[in-house]
Amino acid sequence: SYELTQPPSVSVSPGQTARITCSGDALPKQYAYWYQQKPGQAPVLVIYKDSERPSGIPERFSGSSSGTTVTLTISGVQAEDEADYYCQSADSSGTYPLVFGTGTKVTVL
Amino acid sequence: QVQLQESGPGLVKPSQTLSLTCTVSGGSISSGDYYWSWIRQPPGKGLEWIGYIYYSGSTYYNPSLKSRVTISVDTSKNQFSLKLSSVTAADTAVYYCARVVVVPAAAVYYFDYWGQGTLVTVSS
Repeated sequence: SYELTQPPSVSVSPGQTARITCSGDALPKQYAYWYQQKPGQAPVLVIYKDSERPSGIPERFSGSSSGTTVTLTISGVQAEDEADYYCQSADSSGTYPLVFGTGTKVTVL
Repeated sequence: QVQLQESGPGLVKPSQTLSLTCTVSGGSISSGDYYWSWIRQPPGKGLEWIGYIYYSGSTYYNPSLKSRVTISVDTSKNQFSLKLSSVTAADTAVYYCARVVVVPAAAVYYFDYWGQGTLVTVSS
């Protein structure tokens, strides 16, 4: 199977910048997507195709890609951004077109 | 605005088959513009993609679950369904249905709309 690795947790003070990484061997060739999940709720897409932002998602959410690592950046973090974040991508062969990362808990101090 | 709603039993006995249905409103499964998928999340754990289906009935399953999974579609009811056989306690999870944007030529695969999820517990 294919794995996408994220740090288990990230802590950040309000107004600061949170960066969440996701590593995978196929990321140089495959797009990455990011989802925000708050307790008891379904995930919400916040970034698609590495760095595109869906309508309705605040501008403080941005995405970038470099080699085998993609990064979700939350600038000017607000209390409401406290949530679990998952990256999602595909393996290089197409055998696993939809794979989720291990997930990162963002805590706003 | 597309909405998806899962339904089905919240409790299934070990070795039996888990069956869930997703009803789609605000859009037609038959439009052919999207695929339709199931994802699950064990309590306190991460997300796992189960499989997806096209309105034509074409399916693709997660290889790790393929031997136990069947996804079907009923376009007349604008619904698609999941069957997971021979369940164990490890299959206890919140099960989500979702709409999938799939553009294979561009290597684009992602979920843009999700249902609220339904908890299925496997226990005798």
